[in-house]
This record gives sequence, C-alpha cells and structure tokens, in this order.
Amino acid sequence: DQQVKQNSPSLSVQEGRISILNCDYTNSMFDYFLWYKKYPAEGPTFLISISSIKDKNEDGRFTVFLNKSAKHLSLHIVPSQPGDSAVYFCAASATVTLNFGKGTSLLVTP
Amino acid sequence: GAVVSQHPSRVICKSGTSVKIECRSLDFQATTMFWYRQFPKQSLMLMATSNEGSKATYEQGVEKDKFLINHASLTLSTLTVTSAHPEDSSFYICSARGGGNKLFFGSGTQLSVL
Repeated sequence: DQQVKQNSPSLSVQEGRISILNCDYTNSMFDYFLWYKKYPAEGPTFLISISSIKDKNEDGRFTVFLNKSAKHLSLHIVPSQPGDSAVYFCAASATVTLNFGKGTSLLVTP
Repeated sequence: GAVVSQHPSRVICKSGTSVKIECRSLDFQATTMFWYRQFPKQSLMLMATSNEGSKATYEQGVEKDKFLINHASLTLSTLTVTSAHPEDSSFYICSARGGGNKLFFGSGTQLSVL
C-alpha cells in the first residue's frame, strides 16, 4: 500500500523556468515531510524538509509547500538549472521510518 | 553536515558467495540505521531497521537469514547478503538519522551477482 504517491514519473522543464514536483499522501498521521534528490548509482541527498505545523519552507531556490487538508505537498525549484536534473523523492514520516514515493525524474533542458 | 559513508560502492560476485556492505556514520552516533533496496525506476524499499546492540527489525517479505544485519557500534552497521543469487542484484542504500530528524543516506552499493 503506497502511502506516499508521486503520480508524475517524469517532468521536463526548460532552464530558468520553475519546476514543480508534486506529492500526495494518504496517512494523516504523517507529521514530517522531506524531499531527496538522487543521481543514478548514488545515494539520495537531502534537499529540504517541512514540519506539519508549517505550510511553507524555503531554502534558496527550493521551496516546499504543504497543504494538510489536501494531503499534498510540492517542491518548487526556481530558477531550474541543468544540474537539477535528477530523480526527486518525496518522503513522509510519522515515527522513526520514512515512507518514500516512487520518485519523479526531472530533466532540465538548456 | 552529517555524513554517512557506505562501502563498497560497487561489487560483482559469483552466485553462492556472500557480500558484506558497511555503513558508517562519520560525525555522529546513530543508534538506528536503515537499509533500503532500490530496483531500477522504483522507489526505495525499506528492508530493515538496524538497532545498535540488538536485533534488526525486518520488513515483511525480507528474509532475515539471507540479509544479515549487524549493528555492533553506534557508528557502524553492516548488511551481509548471504549466498547471493542473481535476483539479489540491486542497489542497496543505508541511512542514519542525524540532527533535526533528518535522514542521511550513504552513497549506495550496486550489487551484481553473476
């Protein structure tokens, strides 16, 4: 049972534009959400997180928005750069473990 | 920031042999580490939770006799794939929880069983 869903397996964005990656979850007990970036044959690297008490967290070009009523969060990258091309995983936590989505492959074209 | 080191990054072995993968937290202590497996174009699948000084907790469907986990110290957890078979070929990743409730990942191990 997939509790964290990333319904778009891939996304292509032009350099300089905004990339919006979406994530939906089903478990209302999740209280902490994270985004990870992963290059092929490498481990994921932490990008940004948000607690359920907030609805927005910003870190440089990355902003995460949380809509608890809709059980939806999104990652905005602006401006997008070719080096942002990677697979992005959304993760949610209620206890010690994390539940991951299947990832969205972002391609930023020059 | 917190660093998790995973070794080796790539291993090729013959069917029937055992492979050990190490996961170290370099600048923090981790009483709990996690082992994941990722198939191509799939999500990270949690295999087990490694607890320092006690037995690992395995997820449903993961064979504990095949995937041996040892968490002997606060900075080291090992995953041993015993009697590896081609279907065990996968990308294995470890992680440890650091400060701020963040999970930090190792760089992963690509296992290929011939």
